[in-house]
Amino acid sequence: KNQVEQSPQSLIILEGKNCTLQCNYTVSPFSNLRWYKQDTGRGPVSLTIMTFSENTKSNGRYTATLDADTKQSSLHITASQLSDSASYICVVSSRDDKIIFGKGTRLHILP
Amino acid sequence: DGGITQSPKYLFRKEGQNVTLSCEQNLNHDAMYWYRQDPGQGLRLIYYSQIVNDFQKGDIAEGYSVSREKKESFPLTVTSAQKNPTAFYLCASSLGTGGPSSYNEQFFGPGTRLTVL
Repeated sequence: KNQVEQSPQSLIILEGKNCTLQCNYTVSPFSNLRWYKQDTGRGPVSLTIMTFSENTKSNGRYTATLDADTKQSSLHITASQLSDSASYICVVSSRDDKIIFGKGTRLHILP
Repeated sequence: DGGITQSPKYLFRKEGQNVTLSCEQNLNHDAMYWYRQDPGQGLRLIYYSQIVNDFQKGDIAEGYSVSREKKESFPLTVTSAQKNPTAFYLCASSLGTGGPSSYNEQFFGPGTRLTVL
C-alpha cells in the first residue's frame, strides 16, 4: 500500500535554532518527492521537488534530502524564523500517476 | 497563492443541497486539480483536468462533479450524494499535462472551507 509517514507530528523550537523534519514512504514505483509549506487556513506552497537521481536540493534556508534506497527524505530548516511556523507536508508521486500526501509536521517557532 | 483564486473563502450549506466551488487561474496553466483536506489527514485528490473539456477522477471522486469549459476555470460541485462534505477544499494548477504525479510544480489557491449544517 502506498503510504507517506511524517515525523514528528509537531515540533516546537526557539527562533534562530535549526530543525529537521522526516518523511518515510512506501510509494512505488517512485517518481518524485516534494515538500510543501502550508500556513494555517491557506493553500500549500512548494519548497522543493526531487526525482530519483537527486539526493539534495536547497531553497534558501530550506534543504531537502532524499535517500531513494531507504525511501526516506528530510527537510532541514536553518536559523528558523517566526514566519517558519506552519505545517510542512511531504508528497510522494508514483510513475503510475498516484500522488500521496503525508499528514504533515506542525512546526511552532517561539520568540 | 499566485494567480489562482477560489471563492468564497467560507461557505455554509444545508444538508442535501448541492453547492459549487469556484476556481479560476490566470497563469495560463494547462492542468487543474481539486483536493480535499480534512483535519489530521493528508490532502486527497478529487478530480483533475489536463485539457479543456476533459477530466479524470482522483482517489475520492464519489459525490463530486466537475467541468472544464474554459482553460482558466475548473468549478467543483459537491452533490448531496457526498456523505461527509464538510472539509477544506483546495484547487491547484500546473503548467504542462503530465498529470498529478508529474514533475510540474502545482500552485495552490487559498482554499474554500465548506461547512454543511
